[in-house]
Amino acid sequence: QVQLVESGGGVVQPGGSLRLSCAVSGLTHSTSGMHWVRQAPGKGLEWVAFIRYDGNKKHYADSVKGRFSISRDNSKNIMYLQMNSLTVADTAVYFCAKDGDFVFLPVDWGQGTLVTVSS
Amino acid sequence: DIRMTQSPSSLSASAGDRVTITCQATQDISSYLAWYQQKPGKVPKLLIYAASTLQSGVPSRFSGSGSGTDFTLTITSLQPEDVATYYCQKYNLAPLTFGGGTKVEI
Repeated sequence: QVQLVESGGGVVQPGGSLRLSCAVSGLTHSTSGMHWVRQAPGKGLEWVAFIRYDGNKKHYADSVKGRFSISRDNSKNIMYLQMNSLTVADTAVYFCAKDGDFVFLPVDWGQGTLVTVSS
Repeated sequence: DIRMTQSPSSLSASAGDRVTITCQATQDISSYLAWYQQKPGKVPKLLIYAASTLQSGVPSRFSGSGSGTDFTLTITSLQPEDVATYYCQKYNLAPLTFGGGTKVEI
């Protein structure tokens, strides 16, 4: 049973930075692509970023490109999302998710961590 | 980038009704289409992938169809536990894109 646990959320001022972590347990983490997906309060799902199983390929949504950076440490089974230059529009629950048998198809999801950008 | 449009944005039906949700892509995505269910306060759950393949453990009253740009999620006999918001998602290439969601109520 795969378990994903996010951490690092909190309240930050506009223009600030935050680093989210996603710890994976239960199965081999290093063979799957992983994602960050966010959901603003009362809104729909928005894909944020993807990192390939080996960390050598990354993709970002246009809304975060140049501000957010995804990375992973397969030796620790942890994925990260470094978020810089945060704005109010980045306020959301951030989920980490892991691909199953197909690339770009998240199957396993964490419970999410709330990021609030407010002055 | 490819955009995904779902309709309706919300619906209300009775238990036992047949419910249909549509999802349209702005470009051909072949069958790289998934459907997720998100119950209130819960995490999204994968229901269907490859447009019509049921994820393991998902009740058979859920089905998906379509290819190219037009897709459909059908619930043949709506149950109270199906109250949720349903999202389509294309996964052929990055960026991944979700539809805006369809809220299903009873």
